[in-house]
Amino acid sequence: AQSVTQLDSQVPVFEEAPVELRCNYSSSVSVYLFWYVQYPNQGLQLLLKYLSGSTLVKGINGFEAEFNKSQTSFHLRKPSVHISDTAEYFCAVRHASGGSYIPTFGRGTSLIVHP
Amino acid sequence: NAGVTQTPKFRVLKTGQSMTLLCAQDMNHEYMYWYRQDPGMGLRLIHYSVGEGTTAKGEVPDGYNVSRLKKQNFLLGLESAAPSQTSVYFCASSPLRLAGLGDQETQYFGPGTRLLVL
Repeated sequence: AQSVTQLDSQVPVFEEAPVELRCNYSSSVSVYLFWYVQYPNQGLQLLLKYLSGSTLVKGINGFEAEFNKSQTSFHLRKPSVHISDTAEYFCAVRHASGGSYIPTFGRGTSLIVHP
Repeated sequence: NAGVTQTPKFRVLKTGQSMTLLCAQDMNHEYMYWYRQDPGMGLRLIHYSVGEGTTAKGEVPDGYNVSRLKKQNFLLGLESAAPSQTSVYFCASSPLRLAGLGDQETQYFGPGTRLLVL
């Protein structure tokens, strides 16, 4: 079985500061990893994903994430946040082959950007 | 191309009432999903479908039923609503999983349905 842990339920940060949202996963097989963003009163949309290849993945809105297989982590980073980045962020994992193709989501991290 | 749409956007029910939530997608996706989102719980999968005429249980299926009579539609039914089913419900779809085609792995979400059961 696969699982995802988002270590912080809430991350407050000042505008233009860097931010890291942490995600750890557990799986016995190779995985695909995703970050989704949910703006207030909206559905989720894909921010970035790791399927294979380079472990540093760049997404929309200046976000990036690094896949670390030895630490089973996929932390999301942005060097300088904006007020508009205030949202809920979800990490998700699914098996790359075999097993269940249904993704498992973490509980979410609320990013709150203060002026 | 509307993507994934959900009907209704909001609904208030009394305990014991029934209702159906409709999800429609115009992307010809094979897979469709119903999730519920509750504070501090993230997204939990209720039911999913891997194609027209097929459905399967997810993590929290009790109290819900689903049907996928047409490829583009996925219906979620509450036969006898309970206050514990107060939640925001999201539908999602994704293309058929084919090895080596990265874009096939993305889920596309609808805007959500807010349900309050009194």
